Amino acid sequence: TQLLEQSPQFLSIQEGENLTVYCNSSSVFSSLQWYRQEPGEGPVLLVTVVTGGEVKKLKRLTFQFGDARKDSSLHITAAQPGDTGLYLCAGVENFNKFYFGSGTKLNVKP
Amino acid sequence: GAGVSQSPSNKVTEKGKDVELRCDPISGHTALYWYRQSLGQGLEFLIYFQGNSAPDKSGLPSDRFSAERTGGSVSTLTIQRTQQEDSAVYLCASSRALNQPQHFGDGTRLSIL
Repeated sequence: TQLLEQSPQFLSIQEGENLTVYCNSSSVFSSLQWYRQEPGEGPVLLVTVVTGGEVKKLKRLTFQFGDARKDSSLHITAAQPGDTGLYLCAGVENFNKFYFGSGTKLNVKP
Repeated sequence: GAGVSQSPSNKVTEKGKDVELRCDPISGHTALYWYRQSLGQGLEFLIYFQGNSAPDKSGLPSDRFSAERTGGSVSTLTIQRTQQEDSAVYLCASSRALNQPQHFGDGTRLSIL
C-alpha cells in the first residue's frame, strides 16, 4: 500500500508550459518534502513545508502544503528543459520516518 | 568531496551470494538513512540510524537484510543469500539531525543474476 500517491505519474510538455504535480495521502504528516532526482543520481531536496496551508516559492516553482497537512502540490511556471527529472514527495512522520511517493516523471521538450 | 559517498557504485552478483554496501555520510551528520529504489520508482524506506542506534528495523524487507553503523559514521547494509528481487538501487542519505534536510548519495546499483 502506497502511503503517498503522486499524480500524474508521467508528464511530457513543451517548454514554456505550466504544470502542477499532486501528492496526496490519508495520513497527516509533521512535514512534507519535495525532491528532484536525475538519472544516476540521488534525490536533491527542493523544499520542506511544515505548516498547514503554507506556500513556498523557489524561482518558478511554487509548493503548497494542504491545510490538513495530508497533501501537497508543486506548480512549475514556464517549464524549461532543465526542469526535466523525477519529482518525489516525501511525508515525514514523527520527525524520523520518511514515506516517499512513487514519483512524477517530467519531460520538458525544447 | 563533502557529500555522501556510497560504494560500490555498481554491483553485479550471482543469486545466493552475500553483498555488502557501504555509505560514508557527511562528516558531523548524526542521522543516516537507507532506502531502496526500483527502476524509475519512488523510494522505499529501509532503516535509519541516530548515531549508532537503529531504533526501528521494521522497514527491512526480510531477515536477510541487516545494517550497522559504527563510530557514528560509516554504515554498511548487508544482504545475505541475495535473490533476484533484491535488484534495485540502494540509496543512503544523511542529515545533521533527525528532521533536518537529507543529503543523498548517488546510490549503489545492485543487479542479481
